[in-house]
Amino acid sequence: GQQVMQIPQYQHVQEGEDFTTYCNSSTTLSNIQWYKQRPGGHPVFLIQLVKSGEVKKQKRLTFQFGEAKKNSSLHITATQTTDVGTYFCAPVNQAGTALIFGKGTTLSVSS
Amino acid sequence: GAVVSQHPSRVICKSGTSVKIECRSLDFQATTMFWYRQFPKQSLMLMATSNEGSKATYEQGVEKDKFLINHASLTLSTLTVTSAHPEDSSFYICSARSGGNGNTIYFGEGSWLTVV
Repeated sequence: GQQVMQIPQYQHVQEGEDFTTYCNSSTTLSNIQWYKQRPGGHPVFLIQLVKSGEVKKQKRLTFQFGEAKKNSSLHITATQTTDVGTYFCAPVNQAGTALIFGKGTTLSVSS
Repeated sequence: GAVVSQHPSRVICKSGTSVKIECRSLDFQATTMFWYRQFPKQSLMLMATSNEGSKATYEQGVEKDKFLINHASLTLSTLTVTSAHPEDSSFYICSARSGGNGNTIYFGEGSWLTVV
């Protein structure tokens, strides 16, 4: 079935360093959403990207959707300990009816 | 923002028994709800898509007779794990689509099921 590859699986950074997670698909995506899940918590919606080449910013978070709509990235500038969690990309499935989650990138931040 | 409530948050049941998990959209109508399962340190795996008033659509490999889904109203979907076994122990989480808010999907807080 439809899958997305998300890398890296784990990332540890020092507080203040930048962080990027990448989401790659072999098929063209209609749109993609990003979620954050804190340890023990449930996924929380961050953003949705729809347009080719789209770039959206939320404070220190920058989301990009590739020109070919086959890849996406989330970049965090100057990480903080509150950024700890697992970040999932989730494109809509081919039927356009549900989200299919990547394996996630787990970010840990040490102060 | 929109709220999705899931109940119970934690449940322990004996092997062979059935357990029901409820998912409610509290302040919006959800024509579509989704059920996911998440094993520890793994991603969310879509189990089924539930449409109000019709049969759920199950993903490949998910036993529809074991995981019964009912979406009887626009604010409530239920997942019943029948004849539960220890390997069914997992984190089950629902989400609901809010058509009135750019089709945003909101997640419940999840239910931890432990089968002993």
